[in-house]
Amino acid sequence: AQSVSQHNHHVILSEAASLELGCNYSYGGTVNLFWYVQYPGQHLQLLLKYFSGDPLVKGIKGFEAEFIKSKFSFNLRKPSVQWSDTAEYFCAARSGNTGKLIFGQGTTLQVKP
Amino acid sequence: NAGVTQTPKFQVLKTGQSMTLQCAQDMNHEYMSWYRQDPGMGLRLIHYSVGAGITDQGEVPNGYNVSRSTTEDFPLRLLSAAPSQTSVYFCASSPGTSGQGSTDTQYFGPGTRLTVL
Repeated sequence: AQSVSQHNHHVILSEAASLELGCNYSYGGTVNLFWYVQYPGQHLQLLLKYFSGDPLVKGIKGFEAEFIKSKFSFNLRKPSVQWSDTAEYFCAARSGNTGKLIFGQGTTLQVKP
Repeated sequence: NAGVTQTPKFQVLKTGQSMTLQCAQDMNHEYMSWYRQDPGMGLRLIHYSVGAGITDQGEVPNGYNVSRSTTEDFPLRLLSAAPSQTSVYFCASSPGTSGQGSTDTQYFGPGTRLTVL
């Protein structure tokens, strides 16, 4: 069955620390990968996406993610977090065959000023 | 464009009641879907539709029905509400369905917070 797993459920960092959130997926065939962010009280917004080409993708607000096919991973990174990055982050994968978009469990990031 | 709209924003039901959560998009998107969001569970796909007249089950379809009679609307029906259906429900849409090279992304509605007593 298709699934997405995020390893860290709750991460606490100080401002200026580096961030890496893990995401692994189990899909066969073509897969599209996404990271979404949900700020407190708001709905989901797209941070970045990977469809094909360069496996290192850059998104909004200084975020980037690297697609490593051999590891079935799509980890999210940011060199220096800010207090305003406090939010919940969701990794998602969509099967190229069915179009179904499946989300991971989410990671809550708390950035201390 | 209004994007993806959902009504109501909040709803309280008693066990056994039925209701319909409305979702509409004005972007002529083919693909629409319903998710529920629960703490520690992320977003779980309930049902989805790849076009008018076509629907399919997601990860957690039990207790929910959908239909897609028009491109714009994708209502979610709870036939007999249960406390386990207390959740926040999100509707989403995207221009295409799938396929290699597809570059479309999901647009999410603001959500409906449902409480079943």
